[in-house]
Amino acid sequence: NAGVTQTPKFQVLKTGQSMTLQCAQDMNHEYMSWYRQDPGMGLRLIHYSVGAGITDQGEVPNGYNVSRSTTEDFPLRLLSAAPSQTSVYFCASSYSGTGNSPLHFGNGTRLTVT
Amino acid sequence: RKEVEQDPGPFNVPEGATVAFNCTYSNSASQSFFWYRQDCRKEPKLLMSVYSSGNEDGRFTAQLNRASQYISLLIRDSKLSDSATYLCVVKNGGATNKLIFGTGTLLAVQP
Repeated sequence: NAGVTQTPKFQVLKTGQSMTLQCAQDMNHEYMSWYRQDPGMGLRLIHYSVGAGITDQGEVPNGYNVSRSTTEDFPLRLLSAAPSQTSVYFCASSYSGTGNSPLHFGNGTRLTVT
Repeated sequence: RKEVEQDPGPFNVPEGATVAFNCTYSNSASQSFFWYRQDCRKEPKLLMSVYSSGNEDGRFTAQLNRASQYISLLIRDSKLSDSATYLCVVKNGGATNKLIFGTGTLLAVQP
């Protein structure tokens, strides 16, 4: 059971570089989202999607882009990495974008920007 | 003020102890409430939903107090394997499944 798969697990970038964090789920979930987790801040929502072709901003969207061309994939792009984007990133999905469907998280990507 | 506030702990308790965590939320229109568990350097996982009438799952009991805007989690007969960070999670109004996470309470169960 793959569930939610994130790659890479670890990444080091230099300031100004761009990269894409991959997220894929095999549970046919409609809702997908990206969170970042920083010490003392809790998980904060970056972007989310309620279905293929639909994305919206969360609490901290600046510096990140997303797209949802298929139900399965929801990549997160860092356009020009900054040290403030050093964090642990989690992709999460749920069956539905409404109601109380539980979120299923990927294993996380630990990103360091120097 | 944070939307969801928790005591960060750590709570150091011996095996077999009963421990309780509280969490307060600021939005009186919040609709749904959850406890997630996060092990060190792992992803969060749903522990239990919190219902208005309170609910129990084995050694875990969750309660909601809408008037005072707090939720609680009680763990009885603590096990070493309960050591983790417990995240209080709130869903506000709106159609989408946007969850707001507290910063978590660290529990360390000692042998």
